Amino acid sequence: EDKVVQSPLSLVVHEGDTVTLNCSYEVTNFRSLLWYKQEKKAPTFLFMLTSSGIEKKSGRLSSILDKKELFSILNITATQTGDSAVYLCAVERSNDYKLSFGAGTTVTVRA
Amino acid sequence: GAGVSQTPSNKVTEKGKYVELRCDPISGHTALYWYRQSLGQGPEFLIYFQGTGAADDSGLPNDRFFAVRPEGSVSTLKIQRTERGDSAVYLCASSLNPTYEQYFGPGTRLTVT
Repeated sequence: EDKVVQSPLSLVVHEGDTVTLNCSYEVTNFRSLLWYKQEKKAPTFLFMLTSSGIEKKSGRLSSILDKKELFSILNITATQTGDSAVYLCAVERSNDYKLSFGAGTTVTVRA
Repeated sequence: GAGVSQTPSNKVTEKGKYVELRCDPISGHTALYWYRQSLGQGPEFLIYFQGTGAADDSGLPNDRFFAVRPEGSVSTLKIQRTERGDSAVYLCASSLNPTYEQYFGPGTRLTVT
């Protein structure tokens, strides 16, 4: 059975801090790892990672995948209160297209 | 519309009743997925459609759950004889094709009393 474990479960930071979120996985026939941001209800797509060692960046967010050690990290620099959300990590297998999600990391950014 | 839409946004029903949840995917997206999310957990896969057919329904918890996508666009998730344990947020997602990233709708919060 696929396993996706996110850490920490939650964290509280102050505006301007940098946060690093972790996602480790065990999955057969790995195809990709995805990060989503969830505020209220709809998860919003952030990144899809398929190759090891290639950093993806979008503004203050970046992410990288390590397929040898089976983990990914999501970094948020210069955090703002609008970054407060649950960040979800999911993995996808190559023989089907359903996503297996971790439980998420709740990030709270205080002004 | 620009994104995935779902209706209703909230649904309260009594135990034993039948409910239908609707999903309108992004125009042109051939793949459509249903997930269920309970409080404090990540979404769990229910069913995936490629076009009109259910390509994978392995996540449906039992035969009270059924989903259709008759014209390859809008999908309806149907739950018969609802139970309190069915209470959750039901999320729909779509992708251009199965190899592309999935985009989620705002979900329907189902409460069974």
